[in-house]
Amino acid sequence: DQQVKQNSPSLSVQEGRISILNCDYTNSMFDYFLWYKKYPAEGPTFLISISSIKDKNEDGRFTVFLNKSAKHLSLHIVPSQPGDSAVYFCAAGPSGNTPLVFGKGTRLSVIA
Amino acid sequence: GAVVSQHPSRVICKSGTSVKIECRSLDFQATTMFWYRQFPKQSLMLMATSNEGSKATYEQGVEKDKFLINHASLTLSTLTVTSAHPEDSSFYICSARSSGGFYEQFFGPGTRLTVL
Repeated sequence: DQQVKQNSPSLSVQEGRISILNCDYTNSMFDYFLWYKKYPAEGPTFLISISSIKDKNEDGRFTVFLNKSAKHLSLHIVPSQPGDSAVYFCAAGPSGNTPLVFGKGTRLSVIA
Repeated sequence: GAVVSQHPSRVICKSGTSVKIECRSLDFQATTMFWYRQFPKQSLMLMATSNEGSKATYEQGVEKDKFLINHASLTLSTLTVTSAHPEDSSFYICSARSSGGFYEQFFGPGTRLTVL
């Protein structure tokens, strides 16, 4: 059973526009959520996170929104740049020293 | 941010040999390290969780006798693929979580293993 779902395997956006990547989760024990960016043949790079006590966290061009009642989070990138083209993984976890659960990823292509 | 290194970045070996991959946290102490495997165009698959000084916890379906994990210090974990076969060819990635208490897992750059 997939506890973290990224239903869009790919997304194409024009440079300068907003990219919105979505993620749904099923485990109500999750209280910390993260987004990672991954280029081919490299390890994932941490982008931004949000804890369950917040509904928004912003860092430069990246904003993560959390809707706990809907068990949904999204990553907004604005303005999108060609260098943002990568696979984005959503991850979630409960408190404590347990591994994060990852979604299957969404491949973002930003077209110049 | 915290830095995690992996060595080697790429290894090619003959079938039947063993390969050791090292994962190091360079600027923080990692009480817990995780080993993942990624097949082409697929998500990260958690293989095992290793805690410093104790035995690793393996995910269902992962052979612990084939994938030996040692976490001997707070900055080093090793994954040894024993008697490697072509189906073990994959991209192996480690991550580390700080003992400082935050949730982020910091990932290494990955190791591409090719078994001939």
